[in-house]
Amino acid sequence: IQLTQSPSFLSASVGDRVTITCRASQGISNYLAWYQQKPGRAPDLLIYAAYTLQSGVPSRFSGSGSGTEFTLTISSLQPEDFATYYCQQLNTYPLTFGGGTKVEIK
Amino acid sequence: QVQLVQSGAEVAKPGASVKVSCKASGYTFTNYYIHWVRQAPGQGLEWMGIIDPSGGSTTYAQKFQGRVTMTRDTSTSTLYMELSSLRSEDTAVYYCARGPTSRFDPWGQGTLVTVSS
Repeated sequence: IQLTQSPSFLSASVGDRVTITCRASQGISNYLAWYQQKPGRAPDLLIYAAYTLQSGVPSRFSGSGSGTEFTLTISSLQPEDFATYYCQQLNTYPLTFGGGTKVEIK
Repeated sequence: QVQLVQSGAEVAKPGASVKVSCKASGYTFTNYYIHWVRQAPGQGLEWMGIIDPSGGSTTYAQKFQGRVTMTRDTSTSTLYMELSSLRSEDTAVYYCARGPTSRFDPWGQGTLVTVSS
């Protein structure tokens, strides 16, 4: 299953509302997770099962969608949110990741 | 706390093999599958396979079939990923990650494997 993230690059300011889209090549129910990765670090889980916020993750992060289209929204971008974000499908082997969205400071 | 600690960086020659370890702590070792993921420099994440620490069964991505072997040692709560017939394209950071059905959490800190003659 291919996952297509858009955009691949995003320039935004602190306080902006940011939305990242992940489209699956076939239906994956709600078996979708989102991760944040900073340079030189392992990915960190943000959201799983499409919309469940991982414990300890700020509430400005939210996820939605089902089937083939999903979104990750950051309601008010903070300085520590500048990173690369990946979606992942866990419905079918081989598990796959989207190509990533790099969020940079405008 | 739940933790996965990986072995240190490796340098290997083309055609050789490398074995990366991942030591688990803070939870019941046999209760959670472990996945292996790699990330080439400046690239995205690529799933390599999964191992069930309870019985040792594995599923590998087709791309790595025949070259990868995932094993575990229940006496030390350690997982291993061995990749053989290395080529330059295998230069990457290799991660282990604990996998409940719906997510990968936590991840190991990563192990850089450099393939160079």
